[in-house]
Amino acid sequence: SAVISQKPSRDICQRGTSLTIQCQVDSQVTMMFWYRQQPGQSLTLIATANQGSEATYESGFVIDKFPISRPNLTFSTLTVSNMSPEDSSIYLCSVEARPWGETQYFGPGTRLLVL
Amino acid sequence: AQSVTQPDIHITVSEGASLELRCNYSYGATPYLFWYVQSPGQGLQLLLKYFSGDTLVQGIKGFEAEFKRSQSSFNLRKPSVHWSDAAEYFCAVVSMDSSYKLIFGSGTRLLVRP
Repeated sequence: SAVISQKPSRDICQRGTSLTIQCQVDSQVTMMFWYRQQPGQSLTLIATANQGSEATYESGFVIDKFPISRPNLTFSTLTVSNMSPEDSSIYLCSVEARPWGETQYFGPGTRLLVL
Repeated sequence: AQSVTQPDIHITVSEGASLELRCNYSYGATPYLFWYVQSPGQGLQLLLKYFSGDTLVQGIKGFEAEFKRSQSSFNLRKPSVHWSDAAEYFCAVVSMDSSYKLIFGSGTRLLVRP
């Protein structure tokens, strides 16, 4: 498995601002994913981020709202842009690497509250 | 499209009692199935997974799950629940398109009575 950290762990933001969430892994991984978990809900994939290529977004999520960077095999960022209260969620990154098969391991999440 | 159903939103059991959380999936071929647990204020922790082979899989924390193809089910069980097991439990399946994304069920919240 892997040790995954996220920064910040939580934040309270004003509407109209942007927040960048960092995801750091202690080993090189092929695939990184960003999920959103709205209050009391399950997880929904925002996008898949592979190093060296553009992120692939799921239906309902767009790059202008959730720009993602993947500069190397151990790091990724997700930005939540022009935030509104509806963006209040937990944002989780997960990673997958070939030695583990199709198994994803999750970071601790970033709890975001937008006022 | 693949989907995962967890029919129980909440389950309450007494400490020391047995537990079974239900999960049904829709997928034509043999799926890759997972159970994750999310404790309050925490991320997701992998409990166990099934890819192939023995249909009864053992996981961490004394949990096990049984894959039943005929019922399209992957139910999670534990013979004796501890108060620390109170959490949200998610069943998930890997999408077999090129994305490798996880498709999650809606989750089951487990409450443990002392």
